[in-house]
Amino acid sequence: DVVLTQTPPTLSATIGQSVSISCRSSQSLLHSNGNTYLNWLLQRPGQPPQLLIYLVSRLESGVPNRFSGSGSGTDFTLKISGVEAEDLGVYYCVQSTHAPNTFGAGTKLELK
Amino acid sequence: QIQLVQSGPELKKPGESLKISCKASGYTFTDYAMQWVKQAPGKGLQYMGWINTQTGKPTYADDFKERFVFSLETSASTAYLQINNLKNEDTATYFCARRRGAGDYWGQGVMVTVSS
Repeated sequence: DVVLTQTPPTLSATIGQSVSISCRSSQSLLHSNGNTYLNWLLQRPGQPPQLLIYLVSRLESGVPNRFSGSGSGTDFTLKISGVEAEDLGVYYCVQSTHAPNTFGAGTKLELK
Repeated sequence: QIQLVQSGPELKKPGESLKISCKASGYTFTDYAMQWVKQAPGKGLQYMGWINTQTGKPTYADDFKERFVFSLETSASTAYLQINNLKNEDTATYFCARRRGAGDYWGQGVMVTVSS
C-alpha cells in the first residue's frame, strides 16, 4: 500500500499566520489517466472530516481561498494563507490513485 | 441539500454482531459509490473499502476482508456496514462518505464500543 508521510505532526500558529503542511508519498501518485488523486481533508474536533482540496490543487466548493494545494509526483503541500480560528483541527492528506486509498497520519493545527 | 445520516451509537460485547446504516439524501444514490472509514479513539483515519451503489459489489481493504460486510438497500438510498464476531479492537467511530475523490460528503459517524 502507498504510505503517506505528513510533516509536521503538530503545528502551532497564531491567527493570521501562514502555515504549510507537507505530504510525501512512497510512490508517485500520477495516475495512468494523467490525474493525480491527492486530496486534503480537515477534521475539526468532534466532527467528521471535510474535503478541502482534491486533485492536488482544486478547491472544493465552499472552501475559503486561503487554502491552497500544490505539488506533483510524490511531494505535496497544503498552505493556509492567514490561519483563522475555524481552521484548527487535524489535517489529513489522502491518496486515491492506487488501491486501496490511504491516509497520512495527520497534522494537528493548534493555536500558539 | 446533500446529507448522509448514520445510525446511533452502539455498545456491544465481544463476539456479537452489529449493522450500521448510512442514509443518503439530496442526490441520486446510485450516482456515487459509498466508502467506509474507521477511526479508533484518538487515532487517525483508516480506509475500509467501498461499495458500488449500481452493482452492489463491495471492495474491502486488506484489514477488513474478514468479519466486515458492506451492503445496500438501494430503494431506501441506504448503505450498511455489518461487523461480525466483534472484537475489542473494533471499538472506533465508523464513517460513511460519498466516494467522490476522498469523500466529498461524510456521515456524522457512529461510535461503536466493544466491551465485556
